[in-house]
Amino acid sequence: QQQVKQSPQSLIVQKGGISIINCAYENTAFDYFPWYQQFPGKGPALLIAIRPDVSEKKEGRFTISFNKSAKQFSLHIMDSQPGDSATYFCAATLTGYALNFGKGTSLLVTP
Amino acid sequence: DAGITQSPRHKVTETGTPVTLRCHQTENHRYMYWYRQDPGHGLRLIHYSYGVKDTDKGEVSDGYSVSRSKTEDFLLTLESATSSQTSVYFCAIRRDMNTEAFFGQGTRLTVV
Repeated sequence: QQQVKQSPQSLIVQKGGISIINCAYENTAFDYFPWYQQFPGKGPALLIAIRPDVSEKKEGRFTISFNKSAKQFSLHIMDSQPGDSATYFCAATLTGYALNFGKGTSLLVTP
Repeated sequence: DAGITQSPRHKVTETGTPVTLRCHQTENHRYMYWYRQDPGHGLRLIHYSYGVKDTDKGEVSDGYSVSRSKTEDFLLTLESATSSQTSVYFCAIRRDMNTEAFFGQGTRLTVV
């Protein structure tokens, strides 16, 4: 049973636009929600993470919005750039356990 | 980059042969993981380790075994490789269960 559902599978955004990727989770006990960015031929790297005691976290152009009651969280990439083109994975876990990943979103930012 | 080295980076092997992938870390992190990445499936946990000689199964552990005899090394063994095990394998490490996971560069395994 997939514990984290991610959408969309792929996304095309024009340069300067906003990219939005959504994730939903099942286990209400989860308390750590990271987003990973992966470039071709590389391993995933942590982009930004949030814990459920806050509803939003912003780091530069990247923002996580978290809705605990809906069991959903999303990644917003403002002013998207061609260099942001990558695969993005959301994940969720309960402290003390391994990360459960979504299936990934392939983002293409066109010039 | 976190001090994680996966070897080999690429391997082609025949069905039925044993294969061992190695993950070596220089960070002295306690937790180590093996994931496989497949199109449409994302990253799925195979096995993980929470200390020397302490390992446990993940969601897709069938056909795989692991060993960790030293803090720095975590080995993934395919006892008898099958075509369904063709994948990209990633090792990850965490200092503790409340911190960031760092991933290696991956090993692309093809079973023919």
